[in-house]
Amino acid sequence: AQRVTQPEKLLSVFKGAPVELKCNYSYSGSPELFWYVQYSRQRLQLLLRHISRESIKGFTADLNKGETSFHLKKPFAQEEDSAMYYCALIYNQGGKLIFGQGTELSVKP
Amino acid sequence: EAQVTQNPRYLITVTGKKLTVTCSQNMNHEYMSWYRQDPGLGLRQIYYSMNVEVTDKGDVPEGYKVSRKEKRNFPLILESPSPNQTSLYFCASSFISTGRDTQYFGPGTRLTVL
Repeated sequence: AQRVTQPEKLLSVFKGAPVELKCNYSYSGSPELFWYVQYSRQRLQLLLRHISRESIKGFTADLNKGETSFHLKKPFAQEEDSAMYYCALIYNQGGKLIFGQGTELSVKP
Repeated sequence: EAQVTQNPRYLITVTGKKLTVTCSQNMNHEYMSWYRQDPGLGLRQIYYSMNVEVTDKGDVPEGYKVSRKEKRNFPLILESPSPNQTSLYFCASSFISTGRDTQYFGPGTRLTVL
């Protein structure tokens, strides 16, 4: 079955430290992958999509088809990065969207 | 302001009492979808719609119904709610009909079924 796995429920780092939030997927086609973020008391919003290859708020994510991963990285974490992060996948024909379980990132001062 | 709205934001009800949660978007988006968010399970898709009068099941459709009679609205109907449907519900919309685009989320509806 198609699946998105985020192995860490909680990731706690100090300000200025590098951050990597893991996302692994299982899908045999050509998926489109996204990272969504939910800051406290705000709506879920798009952070990154692999097809655009942008860097948003210092975050990057590279699709590794060999390892079926789409890890989110930032070289220097900021306190305002504290939030819930979700990795998501949509099938190549569209329609069904699958989210991971989410990783809560806590950046300590 | 371009946005997705949901009503009500909070709802406490009893088992078996039919309810509807409304979702509306003013961005002329083709794709709309409903999710539930539960601790430790992340977001799970309930139903999605790629166009007016076109709906399809997500991963957890049991106990829910939807309709898409007009482009802007996508209500979620619980005909006979049960306590295991207590959850936080999100509606989302996307410009492209396949959903392979940015999802814009509503503020969420917190439902408690007693």
